[in-house]
Amino acid sequence: DAKTTQPTSMDCAEGRAANLPCNHSTISGNEYVYWYRQIHSQGPQYIIHGLKNNETNEMASLIITEDRKSSTLILPHATLRDTAVYYCIAGNKLVFGAGTILRVKS
Amino acid sequence: DAGVTQSPTHLIKTRGQQVTLRCSPKSGHDTVSWYQQALGQGPQFIFQYYEEEERQRGNFPDRFSGHQFPNYSSELNVNALLLGDSALYLCASRSPTAGVVGHTEAFFGQGTRLTVV
Repeated sequence: DAKTTQPTSMDCAEGRAANLPCNHSTISGNEYVYWYRQIHSQGPQYIIHGLKNNETNEMASLIITEDRKSSTLILPHATLRDTAVYYCIAGNKLVFGAGTILRVKS
Repeated sequence: DAGVTQSPTHLIKTRGQQVTLRCSPKSGHDTVSWYQQALGQGPQFIFQYYEEEERQRGNFPDRFSGHQFPNYSSELNVNALLLGDSALYLCASRSPTAGVVGHTEAFFGQGTRLTVV
């Protein structure tokens, strides 16, 4: 799996879009980008994944740059329940880094 | 669908003892991975089982071993427990298209909280 770099923490106002960046400059051609989140003391929850194209599901959107060296997870209307640690993973073995602590504030 | 289930939810063991943790994958899933998550850190990959064999392994000593049964359920065994083995142990399963390369999403259980005293 490729190494990923994420900001340690981010704040977002409730109801606004949360944009979480991730750098994965060493990603190889067949490695997918996955996003998971973990709410305190629970198992990680799958959010979305993609290879080249942008992806959208009921939870979020994933924007992958054309060179695939970075991506952004977008939560369109963040709620207090979206407060969690968000992990970006580049690779199919699912190697987790430290993640980004997202705090959604009212 | 019960999702990924793990047992027990909490466990306290003494240094030097052995422990076995259990995981039942999500229905229809055949690939199981185990992770260790220390407090304040991200999950660390231990190993992955597919077709009853260990296919990939992270940087963990031989004290950590596993098994996968014909019904795809799995066990994680840890021998000679150390205080540093105290952690949340997570099991994740993936669908049959995952195989050993796999690009499908993994579903995680709620984990087993192991405390070594």
